[in-house]
Amino acid sequence: GENVEQHPSTLSVQEGDSAVIKCTYSDSASNYFPWYKQELGKRPQLIIDIRSNVGEKKDQRIAVTLNKTAKHFSLHITETQPEDSAVYFCAASNEAGNTPLVFGKGTRLSVIA
Amino acid sequence: GAGVSQSPRYKVAKRGQDVALRCDPISGHVSLFWYQQALGQGPEFLTYFQNEAQLDKSGLPSDRFFAERPEGSVSTLKIQRTQQEDSAVYLCASSLNWGGQVYNEQFFGPGTRLTVL
Repeated sequence: GENVEQHPSTLSVQEGDSAVIKCTYSDSASNYFPWYKQELGKRPQLIIDIRSNVGEKKDQRIAVTLNKTAKHFSLHITETQPEDSAVYFCAASNEAGNTPLVFGKGTRLSVIA
Repeated sequence: GAGVSQSPRYKVAKRGQDVALRCDPISGHVSLFWYQQALGQGPEFLTYFQNEAQLDKSGLPSDRFFAERPEGSVSTLKIQRTQQEDSAVYLCASSLNWGGQVYNEQFFGPGTRLTVL
């Protein structure tokens, strides 16, 4: 089955700096890669996703890149703000995202003002 | 509109008790997923439904766990004879499931935090 590895487990950045979180996956059949943000005690919320037919996607300060050959994808947050502090999870699935997601273990991002 | 809701939000059970966790998906969502999230970990898949059909229950940790969605809407996750290792947050998610080339976001509920003493 699919296995998703996520690094780093914790990340501290100064406000205004960029943050990068990296994930690798094992199943070449995976074709949908969402990123979720989870604040303490809250539900995971989708912040961006990418499909396997796209190499990069951007939404304001957030971007995701996908390298299918190497089976890795990354989340980039620019101009970080204190409200970006949370745990971020990458995930992977096949069959158009209508099947169960396999999550990484999460990255705790702290943005220091 | 209303998102995914779960009840109860918190549940404390004595070891050996049975518990039932409820999930109300977004109206019209076809797919419903249950995940277990241990403290400091990512969600892990338990089981999922398409309408009332349970398509995959390979993630259920033991035969003490049972899930149902009899009318293709509300779902219940039942845990019999709870053990301390069952303590976790149980998350429910739903998606519209248009199929084809449409990739569908899974919307998560707030979770039920189960503590087994």
